[in-house]
Order: sequence, then structure tokens, then C-alpha cells
Amino acid sequence: AQSVTQLDSHVSVSEGTPVLLRCNYSSSYSPSLFWYVQHPNKGLQLLLKYTSAATLVKGINGFEAEFKKSETSFHLTKPSAHMSDAAEYFCVVSGGYGGSQGNLIFGKGTKLSVKP
Amino acid sequence: NAGVTQTPKFRVLKTGQSMTLLCAQDMNHEYMYWYRQDPGMGLRLIHYSVGEGTTAKGEVPDGYNVSRLKKQNFLLGLESAAPSQTSVYFCASRRNLHSGANVLTFGAGSRLTVL
Repeated sequence: AQSVTQLDSHVSVSEGTPVLLRCNYSSSYSPSLFWYVQHPNKGLQLLLKYTSAATLVKGINGFEAEFKKSETSFHLTKPSAHMSDAAEYFCVVSGGYGGSQGNLIFGKGTKLSVKP
Repeated sequence: NAGVTQTPKFRVLKTGQSMTLLCAQDMNHEYMYWYRQDPGMGLRLIHYSVGEGTTAKGEVPDGYNVSRLKKQNFLLGLESAAPSQTSVYFCASRRNLHSGANVLTFGAGSRLTVL
């Protein structure tokens, strides 16, 4: 069975400083992994995805994530935070072909605050 | 391109009332999903469909029913609403399991309050 754990429910950074949002996953086979972002009162938008190609994945708005199989991690980073990055971020693992027919398993979310 | 459209965006119900949320997608996607989002819980799968005329239960199906009579539409019904069903509901779709990495496209959400 797949699962995903976001290690911080809330992260606060200052504008211009690096962002690190941590995610660990559990999967019985090679997973697909995603990061989604949700701005206040909005739907979810795909930031980036990992699908067993390059382990360092670049996404939109300067975000990137590195797949580390040995650590079962998929942490999200950005070199310099912007005020517009304030949002909730979800780490997601694909359920694959079993269980709920390719359902995505969502972490509980990390709320990112950016201080001026 | 409209993508995934949910209606209504907001609704207030009294306990025991019924209602239907409509999800429509114009991307010819096979798979459609209904999730609910609650604070600190992430998104939890209610029901899903792998094609027209098929539905299946997800993680939290109790109190909900669904139908997929047309490929483009996925309806979520509450027969007798309860305060525990106060939540934000998201519909999502994707083409199939074989194309490009299982990316879901989400609707903007429907906020439901049950008094």
C-alpha cells in the first residue's frame, strides 16, 4: 500500500530566503510522485511530477523536487521565496494499478507562510 | 478550454436535505474522482469512475452516491445531509492510467455547509 507523510504542517519563511517542504513516501513499487499547490479558496494546481525519469524534477514558478529512493523522500525546494508562494502544498503518491484504480494518495498538506 | 467545472460553488443545506453536485469535464477523460477536503486531513477519495456507466467506492464513501451516465459528467449526491458532510468537495479527472504520469486536473471546488 502507498502512503505519504508531510513532515511539517506549517512552514514560515522570509521573502527571498530558501523554501524546503519535506515529504516522505511509502510504496511497494516504483511510484509516481507529485506536488500540488492550493492558493486560498482555489483548486489544486500541479507544480511538478516525478515518473522514474530524471530524479531532479523542475516545476513551475521556480520550484523543484528531488526523488531520493534510498531515503524515500521527495522534498520540494525553491531558492528564493516570493510573497505569492504563500499557499498550501500537497505531496502526492500515485496508487498505481491496484486499489482505487490509480488513485492519488494525498499528504495532509503543508501551509507555507512568507513574511515580508 | 473549460477543463473541469463544478456546480454549485457554494451551498448551504439543512440536516436531512438532499442535493447533487455536478462535475463536468470537456477533455474526454476516462477517469473521474470526487474528493473531500477537511482541515488537516488533506484530500480523501469519496468515489471514482473509470469510465461511462461505472463507479466505485473510495476511502470515505458512506453517505454519498454517484452516477456517471455520460462520460463528461460525474454527479455526487447526498441523500440525507449531515453536519459531518460540511466540507469542500473537489472533482478531478484524468485521461487514463497509461498517458503521461497520472496527472489529475481539478475543478475549483464546491463549498458545502450542512446546518
